[in-house]
Amino acid sequence: DGGITQSPKYLFRKEGQNVTLSCEQNLNHDAMYWYRQDPGQGLRLIYYSQIVNDFQKGDIAEGYSVSREKKESFPLTVTSAQKNPTAFYLCASSLRDRASYTFGSGTRLTVV
Amino acid sequence: KQEVTQIPAALSVPEGENLVLNCSFTDSAIYNLQWFRQDPGKGLTSLLLIQSSQREQTSGRLNASLDKSSGRSTLYIAASQPGDSATYLCAVIGGSEKLVFGKGMKLTVNP
Repeated sequence: DGGITQSPKYLFRKEGQNVTLSCEQNLNHDAMYWYRQDPGQGLRLIYYSQIVNDFQKGDIAEGYSVSREKKESFPLTVTSAQKNPTAFYLCASSLRDRASYTFGSGTRLTVV
Repeated sequence: KQEVTQIPAALSVPEGENLVLNCSFTDSAIYNLQWFRQDPGKGLTSLLLIQSSQREQTSGRLNASLDKSSGRSTLYIAASQPGDSATYLCAVIGGSEKLVFGKGMKLTVNP
C-alpha cells in the first residue's frame, strides 16, 4: 500500500544535539512538507519542497534544516539552534500544489 | 494572512446525534479546503477534499459543504458513534499555496 512512513515514532534529544527525523513516501508525490504540532496550536509549516533538490522555508524554519536528494525522501534535522524542539512532527506529501495532502503517523520529539 | 478558525474547540455529545462542525476562513480566495481527522498521538487522516469550484462532498456518513463567499465550511456527521471521537481539523489552500490549518475541534461521542 502506498503511504508515508515517518521514523522513529519517538525520539529523545539531549541539549545541544542535532537529531534527524525520517520521512519516506511511495506515492510518487512531487511535493513534501514538514509541520510541527504543539498542544493547543494548529499545525505550523516548517519547510516544504516541490521538487527534488529544491526546498523553501515555511513559517517557523529557524533551527531546522532539510534536504531533498530523492523524490521519495525528505528528512528533517532539528538542530541545537532550535530552543524549544519538544513537539509532534508531521510529514506530508501531495501530488502537486493545491492537491490533497497525505500525512504520515508522526514523530514525537522530546528534549531530555 | 489567511486565518482558519474552528469553534467550539471541544464538543461532547451522546451517541446517535447528527453533528455539525464549523470552519471559517478569512480570505475567500482559496483553491480547496480539506477536512482531517486526528486520533490521539496519531497522524492526520484525510476525510474530504472540496475544490473551490465545488459546493459539497460526501463520504459515507460525512458531508462537507463549502461557501467561499462567506468564508465558511461545515462538516456534517450523521448518526454519530463513539468511534467518531477524535480531533477534527479544517485546512485551506489559498494564495500561499500551502495548507493553513485551524486549531481543530475535539469531539467526544459518549455511548
